[in-house]
Amino acid sequence: DSGVTQTPKHLITATGQRVTLRCSPRSGDLSVYWYQQSLDQGLQFLIHYYNGEERAKGNILERFSAQQFPDLHSELNLSSLELGDSALYFCASSRGALAGANVLTFGAGSRLTVL
Amino acid sequence: DQQVKQNSPSLSVQEGRISILNCDYTNSMFDYFLWYKKYPAEGPTFLISISSIKDKNEDGRFTVFLNKSAKHLSLHIVPSQPGDSAVYFCAASGWSGNQFYFGTGTSLTVIP
Repeated sequence: DSGVTQTPKHLITATGQRVTLRCSPRSGDLSVYWYQQSLDQGLQFLIHYYNGEERAKGNILERFSAQQFPDLHSELNLSSLELGDSALYFCASSRGALAGANVLTFGAGSRLTVL
Repeated sequence: DQQVKQNSPSLSVQEGRISILNCDYTNSMFDYFLWYKKYPAEGPTFLISISSIKDKNEDGRFTVFLNKSAKHLSLHIVPSQPGDSAVYFCAASGWSGNQFYFGTGTSLTVIP
């Protein structure tokens, strides 16, 4: 158990629908990162929050949004889902705001299947 | 634009031998590098890191080498064990960066 909790583990939904993925960071970590891993692809960075504030945005689609709440948990909202959104979505947390000397601790991921 | 590249999708090694996994990067601003290991149905787990002020970092059977002029790093596993069979990702960032860039991974199989 890495200490990073992601729910749900699996999710099957239809095109056009909206889903919310939830992440609770490891105790004491203030940063949350979201990554997408599609089939045979690497980990694509989506977004980074530190203590409730957005710090960096990657190739995140406009249909996707995220936020980090005062209790530091984060949610990734995916709307108007398309078949190509089927992927593993990972959340990772770290102590600090900046990358240097920090280590990302990953959750087990949420597998989204869009039919 | 893939700033971190792992050009070998897979690698097979005999148990007890050395495994060498390679990673190249294009951004000269990167100065902090990490290796992660991922088993199926699990999230990636941190293995070892190195900053650009060093060219080598060791942790038990794992050693990471950094060649800044070539923008290349490698992970050496000696001796390789069947339990090392997993997908290995390298990641890079600027020390003051706000995101980590990951490669596409190398699937290592250690043959008993």
